[in-house]
Amino acid sequence: GENVEQHPSTLSVQEGDSAVIKCTYSDSASNYFPWYKQELGKRPQLIIDIRSNVGEKKDQRIAVTLNKTAKHFSLHITETQPEDSAVYFCAASNERGGYQKVTFGTGTKLQVIP
Amino acid sequence: DTGVSQDPRHKITKRGQNVTFRCDPISEHNRLYWYRQTLGQGPEFLTYFQNEAQLEKSRLLSDRFSAERPKGSFSTLEIQRTEQGDSAMYLCASSSGDSPLHFGNGTRLTVT
Repeated sequence: GENVEQHPSTLSVQEGDSAVIKCTYSDSASNYFPWYKQELGKRPQLIIDIRSNVGEKKDQRIAVTLNKTAKHFSLHITETQPEDSAVYFCAASNERGGYQKVTFGTGTKLQVIP
Repeated sequence: DTGVSQDPRHKITKRGQNVTFRCDPISEHNRLYWYRQTLGQGPEFLTYFQNEAQLEKSRLLSDRFSAERPKGSFSTLEIQRTEQGDSAMYLCASSSGDSPLHFGNGTRLTVT
């Protein structure tokens, strides 16, 4: 089955700096890579996703890059704000007929210091 | 529609008791998933329904666990003879088409 590794497990940045979270996956058939943000005591919420036919996707201060050859994808948050503080999960999935058995990484706890 | 809802939010039970959780997905979503999340870990896949059919079960889902989605709408997850190791957050998610997973707020189970 799929295995997703995520680094770092914790990340502290000053407000306004950038944050980068890196993930690797094992199953070359995976073709969908969502990123979820989970605030304490709340549900995981999708913040951005990318499919394997695209190398990069950006949404305002958030961007994700995908290197299929290396089986590596990353989340970049620029101009970080205190409300970005949360746990971020990367994930990988092989979409077959719309079914998403999503495998999650172990999470990165991001702390943005005001 | 306000999203995926789960009930109860919290459940405390004694070891050996049975518990049942309910999930109501987003109404137009035909796919429903159960995940389990322990402290400091990402959600782990338990099982998947397409409409009323349970199409996949993880090896994590022992014989003490059973899930149903009888009419293809809400789903229940039952744990029999609970053990302390079952303590976790149980998350339900739903999707349809190529939409991403939408998670509920989860049911936090504590087995004493």
